[in-house]
Amino acid sequence: GNSVTQMEGPVTLSEEAFLTINCTYTATGYPSLFWYVQYPGEGLQLLLKATKADDKGSNKGFEATYRKETTSFHLEKGSVQVSDSAVYFCALSDGGGGFKTIFGAGTRLFVKA
Amino acid sequence: GAVVSQHPSWVICKSGTSVKIECRSLDFQATTMFWYRQFPKQSLMLMATSNEGSKATYEQGVEKDKFLINHASLTLSTLTVTSAHPEDSSFYICSAARTSAGGIGELFFGEGSRLTVL
Repeated sequence: GNSVTQMEGPVTLSEEAFLTINCTYTATGYPSLFWYVQYPGEGLQLLLKATKADDKGSNKGFEATYRKETTSFHLEKGSVQVSDSAVYFCALSDGGGGFKTIFGAGTRLFVKA
Repeated sequence: GAVVSQHPSWVICKSGTSVKIECRSLDFQATTMFWYRQFPKQSLMLMATSNEGSKATYEQGVEKDKFLINHASLTLSTLTVTSAHPEDSSFYICSAARTSAGGIGELFFGEGSRLTVL
């Protein structure tokens, strides 16, 4: 079945450091890929998405590229801020538009001032 | 933007009682909603898919008689934890699918409901 594997956390960075959170997936068909963010005490929010191979999703300085050849969707940001401290979830949904979404384990990011 | 609201946001109950959690899509109609369970510092585990006007589809290992799901309208799905026990204590999150023309759409998540069973 479908699955998502992402790097374990926590990840601790200093402000303005470069961020990479690795995510790989296993899926049949052509899934859509997502990154969700959960800030402390809040619900999940969609950060970015990509619906087909080679698509790049981007939002708030974060980027991720849908790499079918490596089945990856790594999250990157060039310069993190303290306000980026949160838990980041990589996820995929089936390609049939059914919205059934499978999540990775989540990676907690701490950014120090 | 689209908003999905859950109620209550937290609830404490005694072992053996039943608890109902509501999930509402506030500004769009959702034929499909999903219920997730999130343990501390862990990922979201999909429990079931809730379809308006029909029975929910449960994931393997989820007890359908324990976790009753009702999706009676296009804006409301409810999850009832029946005869709750301490091991049912968790963070329950719902999401609602909003579709647009062409079938393209997006999932929106509720704020979550924290259940503590004493």
